Amino acid sequence: GEDVEQSLFLSVREGDSSVINCTYTDSSSTYLYWYKQEPGAGLQLLTYIFSNMDMKQDQRLTVLLNKKDKHLSLRIADTQTGDSAIYFCAESMGPSNTGKLIFGQGTTLQVKP
Amino acid sequence: NAGVTQTPKFRVLKTGQSMTLLCAQDMNHEYMYWYRQDPGMGLRLIHYSVGEGTTAKGEVPDGYNVSRLKKQNFLLGLESAAPSQTSVYFCASSGAGGSTDTQYFGPGTRLTVL
Repeated sequence: GEDVEQSLFLSVREGDSSVINCTYTDSSSTYLYWYKQEPGAGLQLLTYIFSNMDMKQDQRLTVLLNKKDKHLSLRIADTQTGDSAIYFCAESMGPSNTGKLIFGQGTTLQVKP
Repeated sequence: NAGVTQTPKFRVLKTGQSMTLLCAQDMNHEYMYWYRQDPGMGLRLIHYSVGEGTTAKGEVPDGYNVSRLKKQNFLLGLESAAPSQTSVYFCASSGAGGSTDTQYFGPGTRLTVL
C-alpha cells in the first residue's frame, strides 16, 4: 500500500536554510503536499506540487520533486525561529475526487537562535 | 467565519464509555475527514465524507462510527472506548475539487482513555 516516510528531527540555526526530505511509494499520486503544524494546533497547508512539475517556489519555500526516485523535499530559506514546527509531507491517494491524503510521520524542525 | 471547529478540546474517558466528537465547518465544504494523530505515526484517516448523507471508511475505521446528517457537521463516535483510542483527533474539510483543494484543519481534540 501507499507509504510516506520522513526523518523525524532536524535542527538548524536561525538564518540557515532547512531542507526537509520525504519519500513516497505511490507513483500514481497526482499531488504532493507540505503541511505545517505548530504546537497545540491543527495542520496548515504550506504548499503543494503537481506530479508533472519538478520544482515550485513560493517566497522562502522551494519544493523539489524527483518523480523517478519518488523523493520530495521542502527547502526553507533564511529559517526563522517562527518556523519551528512539525512539517508533514502528504500524497494524494485513491480517486482524485475524494481528496484523501496519506501523511508521513512528520519532521520536527528546531530552529536555534 | 470560524473555519473548522471541534468540540470538545479535551476529554478523559474510562474504558467502555462512549462519546461523540463534533466537527463543524462554516465554509460550505463538501468533503470532511476525521484523522487521528499518534506520536511518530503522522495522521491516519479514520473516516471521511464526500457530501451530506455519505460516509466512507479510511485507513483505521475500526472502533469508530461517523455521521454526516448536515453538510456543516461531521460527527465521530466511539461506542466503547479502549485505551488504544487515546490520541489527538483532527477534523478537516475541503471544497469539491478533491485533491487540489486545501484541507482546512480544526484545532484537535485530545482524548485519553483510561
